[in-house]
Amino acid sequence: IAGITQAPTSQILAAGRRMTLRCTQDMRHNAMYWYRQDLGLGLRLIHYSNTAGTTGKGEVPDGYSVSRANTDDFPLTLASAVPSQTSVYFCASSRGGDTGELFFGEGSRLTVL
Amino acid sequence: GQNIDQPTEMTATEGAIVQINCTYQTSGFNGLFWYQQHAGEAPTFLSYNVLDGLEEKGRFSSFLSRSKGYSYLLLKELQMKDSASYLCAVRDLNYQLIWGAGTKLIIKP
Repeated sequence: IAGITQAPTSQILAAGRRMTLRCTQDMRHNAMYWYRQDLGLGLRLIHYSNTAGTTGKGEVPDGYSVSRANTDDFPLTLASAVPSQTSVYFCASSRGGDTGELFFGEGSRLTVL
Repeated sequence: GQNIDQPTEMTATEGAIVQINCTYQTSGFNGLFWYQQHAGEAPTFLSYNVLDGLEEKGRFSSFLSRSKGYSYLLLKELQMKDSASYLCAVRDLNYQLIWGAGTKLIIKP
């Protein structure tokens, strides 16, 4: 593993189904984030975690939950998927510090029918 | 409210110079970022400005004016591989990023 790994890369699922997007990083970054990216809109923060054991809500948290049991993993769960959750989801991490540069995973394209 | 504005799309010629503008209105300011995103790929960090002025990094430069709520990304000696979307983001006082919708840059030979 190098950097941030997301899985699955792409998924189609029926509305009402439960889905977990996985995110793992090997950079020992404290902060991790989940964003969704939709055409014509900026990246929108769903949930974040500043350190293992803590999570916080972002701009668009409804319908999503996260956990941060350890430094490396930050899964995003859709309890009951709806079509409006069709999007590209990016996991990111940050080492913190002055610049706060984000490192992104390759994204998970989710289609809810 | 919080708002980041940047042009939706720009076209430029290979070898030329292009300037991508970003204006912002946020409740606080703690730095401005530019990211590059090729189609179907993840965003990658380009630059960070927290003080007024120009930051130069190779062919790319980024400028910030905090009093005007304005930044630009300057790309010189354009190459075909520079065809991508360029995302402007402002970090607020809670250290969260507010993102613009991105500028799609098309480079023509």
